[in-house]
Amino acid sequence: GAGVSQSPSNKVTEKGKDVELRCDPISGHTALYWYRQSLGQGLEFLIYFQGNSAPDKSGLPSDRFSAERTGGSVSTLTIQRTQQEDSAVYLCASSLALATETQYFGPGTRLLVL
Amino acid sequence: GESVGLHLPTLSVQEGDNSIINCAYSNSASDYFIWYKQESGKGPQFIIDIRSNMDKRQGQRVTVLLNKTVKHLSLQIAATQPGDSAVYFCAENRSGGYQKVTFGTGTKLQVIP
Repeated sequence: GAGVSQSPSNKVTEKGKDVELRCDPISGHTALYWYRQSLGQGLEFLIYFQGNSAPDKSGLPSDRFSAERTGGSVSTLTIQRTQQEDSAVYLCASSLALATETQYFGPGTRLLVL
Repeated sequence: GESVGLHLPTLSVQEGDNSIINCAYSNSASDYFIWYKQESGKGPQFIIDIRSNMDKRQGQRVTVLLNKTVKHLSLQIAATQPGDSAVYFCAENRSGGYQKVTFGTGTKLQVIP
């Protein structure tokens, strides 16, 4: 079946604008993660959704970042009043259930804030 | 606090040689470890995993070794090929409930033809 998809693949925006990044996980996967990856760096955990449980938001860097997961499937990461330091690749991953299941990553959204 | 880190940020290996990528972890409660490979412009892909009740697991051309005594994990790639050039991440997790996976910094593997 289809893997994790993300849209848009690339986004260029101006400082101060809001952006929305979308993630479509693999069908049936109840766990969904958002990560941020700066150029040449590792993965920075942002937020974790698991079924109907309250999401783990401990990785969100500021209150300008928020995420939703509607109907236990599609997720949207929103960045308000974007700053240049928000420029990065935003990766989404999903897994079957528990975090000990293999995570499948999407191709990422490359965000550039001018 | 918890951390997963890699000893070497960049590793250059001659084509055909074996590669060894190392990883240290600090959370002694971690019992599940994963290696991911990330090629340029792509998301990370699962390579191999190992649970703490094992000290070695083999896949196709890859072997993961786990030393719980010193909290060390390694990924061995046999007969390294140009297609192995990528960034490799180790990750660790603790089972029981809904735990999030913690990723290490990553090691860039460069294969010299």
